[in-house]
Amino acid sequence: DTGVSQNPRHKITKRGQNVTFRCDPISEHNRLYWYRQTLGQGPEFLTYFQNEAQLEKSRLLSDRFSAERPKGSFSTLEIQRTEQGDSAMYLCASSITGQGISPLHFGNGTRLTVT
Amino acid sequence: AQSVTQLDSQVPVFEEAPVELRCNYSSSVSVYLFWYVQYPNQGLQLLLKYLSGSTLVKGINGFEAEFNKSQTSFHLRKPSVHISDTAEYFCAVNAAGGTSYGKLTFGQGTILTVHP
Repeated sequence: DTGVSQNPRHKITKRGQNVTFRCDPISEHNRLYWYRQTLGQGPEFLTYFQNEAQLEKSRLLSDRFSAERPKGSFSTLEIQRTEQGDSAMYLCASSITGQGISPLHFGNGTRLTVT
Repeated sequence: AQSVTQLDSQVPVFEEAPVELRCNYSSSVSVYLFWYVQYPNQGLQLLLKYLSGSTLVKGINGFEAEFNKSQTSFHLRKPSVHISDTAEYFCAVNAAGGTSYGKLTFGQGTILTVHP
């Protein structure tokens, strides 16, 4: 168990640019979640996948945000035309269904700074 | 929908003293409850969870929490803290049952600072 891996750890970008983050969940975990955490706040749910299917999206996920999990393994989160308000820590988590209530395992996050 | 209120944004305490971090929640359905810890520039680590059964839950690193349904609370306690417990602590709630497991609602966090 190597844990949930997120890349890059830090990303600095200029307003208007597109960015993409990657999350590699724990290998046998079929559920994958994206959360966003702004400074001084708790994480907020963005979206989640079961295998390759995106099952729910928060209203926080504007049209500029898109997430994919094409083969049911790693996931990407893309933000188009970044805005300063997108500056935050983006956290990925994974869990497994079918084994009772499995806790979420979080990665160390990608910190995005939009200048 | 669920909401979580962590009543203290910062809690300073001396090493080896007891500590309680307070959490209240609101929900129209049954819930699962969690406490997570976050060290600087890291993700969240699960301390403990309440799913059902005994209302006193024990977790890692000597922490425990008690679920009080009538007061809609889930306070976190440790009888004797260490310097290494300095971190931010988050209380979270998830609607029980259905397919929404993993869609956690977090509180705003409590920064615990342990002084020597």
